[in-house]
Amino acid sequence: KAGVTQTPRYLIKTRGQQVTLSCSPISGHRSVSWYQQTPGQGLQFLFEYFSETQRNKGNFPGRFSGRQFSNSRSEMNVSTLELGDSALYLCASRRGNTEAFFGQGTRLTVV
Amino acid sequence: ILNVEQSPQSLHVQEGDSTNFTCSFPSSNFYALHWYRWETAKSPEALFVMTLNGDEKKKGRISATLNTKEGYSYLYIKGSQPEDSATYLCAFSSNDYKLSFGAGTTVTVRA
Repeated sequence: KAGVTQTPRYLIKTRGQQVTLSCSPISGHRSVSWYQQTPGQGLQFLFEYFSETQRNKGNFPGRFSGRQFSNSRSEMNVSTLELGDSALYLCASRRGNTEAFFGQGTRLTVV
Repeated sequence: ILNVEQSPQSLHVQEGDSTNFTCSFPSSNFYALHWYRWETAKSPEALFVMTLNGDEKKKGRISATLNTKEGYSYLYIKGSQPEDSATYLCAFSSNDYKLSFGAGTTVTVRA
């Protein structure tokens, strides 16, 4: 059974640009959550999608957005990148309210 | 904002010693408490998901307990080995499916 797949693994962007990250969940998992991890911080919750609808949202500015497609794949977009957006972005898929399965993450560097 | 607190932030353990650390979480809107192990260069992986007050779970030398009334959980490692070195994350799962993580406890086992 294939795991959670995130692409790309690494990304370097310039301040002011925008970026789109992709996450393919485990087959049959309809919930996809996104997290940001920066040095010294835990996993900060961005948002969760279920059946193409945003079900939960964290405390991030509107520059961070996401969507989910009918095949449960999800994308996360960050517009007008800032240096502070440099982080590891993890997505996780779940079936119901059970354990989360994580992807390998996308390491975003903003220069 | 859900406050999931973990302590200590880090600890060093001699090989063969046992150790434990804590996770505190809100007692309201509780659905489950998760523990994850996050090894360097890997993705977080679930260790335990506990839902009932008094739950105790065990996997090899690692075990966890849950007290939902007072809002805390302990993770125990018995006879620590170098391969136990990792960051251990706890996560609070609420009835609305949101999964909120603590900042983690980083365990380093010295041979």
